[in-house]
Amino acid sequence: GNSVTQMEGPVTLSEEAFLTINCTYTATGYPSPFWYVQYPGEGLQLLLKATKADDKGSNKGFEATYRKETTSFHLEKGSVQVSDSAVYFCALSALGFGNEKLTFGTGTRLTIIP
Amino acid sequence: SAVISQKPSRDICQRGTSLTIQCQVDSQVTMMFWYRQQPGQSLTLIATANQGSEATYESGFVIDKFPISRPNLTFSTLTVSNMSPEDSSIYLCSFPQPTGTYNEQFFGPGTRLTVL
Repeated sequence: GNSVTQMEGPVTLSEEAFLTINCTYTATGYPSPFWYVQYPGEGLQLLLKATKADDKGSNKGFEATYRKETTSFHLEKGSVQVSDSAVYFCALSALGFGNEKLTFGTGTRLTIIP
Repeated sequence: SAVISQKPSRDICQRGTSLTIQCQVDSQVTMMFWYRQQPGQSLTLIATANQGSEATYESGFVIDKFPISRPNLTFSTLTVSNMSPEDSSIYLCSFPQPTGTYNEQFFGPGTRLTVL
């Protein structure tokens, strides 16, 4: 089956630092990758996604490019803020249509200090 | 986007008892998923619940332990039966909804279960 390997946490950064959270996967077929975020006390919400190879998803200053050759979907942000403190999950949809089950990575807890 | 709610938001239960978690969506959805997030771990799919058919369980999960009901297109329940401390987790429901040309999955806020 599919699997997602995500950078272990926790990660602590100072405000305005550069962020990278690595995510690689193994899958068959034509999967689609996602990043979900879980802010303290809130539910899981979609941060960004990509639907085909070399797509770049972006939202709230975060970006991730779907690299099929390296089966990766690393999350980046150029200048993090305290409000970005959350748990970030990389996930994979098997067929790319979005209505199948998702396979999740282990999650990375990010803390930004002022 | 649709609104999805879960009840209860949290509970503390005794070993050997059962808890039923409710998931309510404010629009009709055909497919719903139930996930478990054990402490410090990732989300794992328990089952897929389509209205009008039996739920499909993932490897390692069985209907006797996690019975699911899906009486209509806006509601589902997951029961955690004969609980043990190992069942302490956050349980989440989700559903896909079209956003443009793609389906996006929306998640409920989760039910935090502690079994003593």
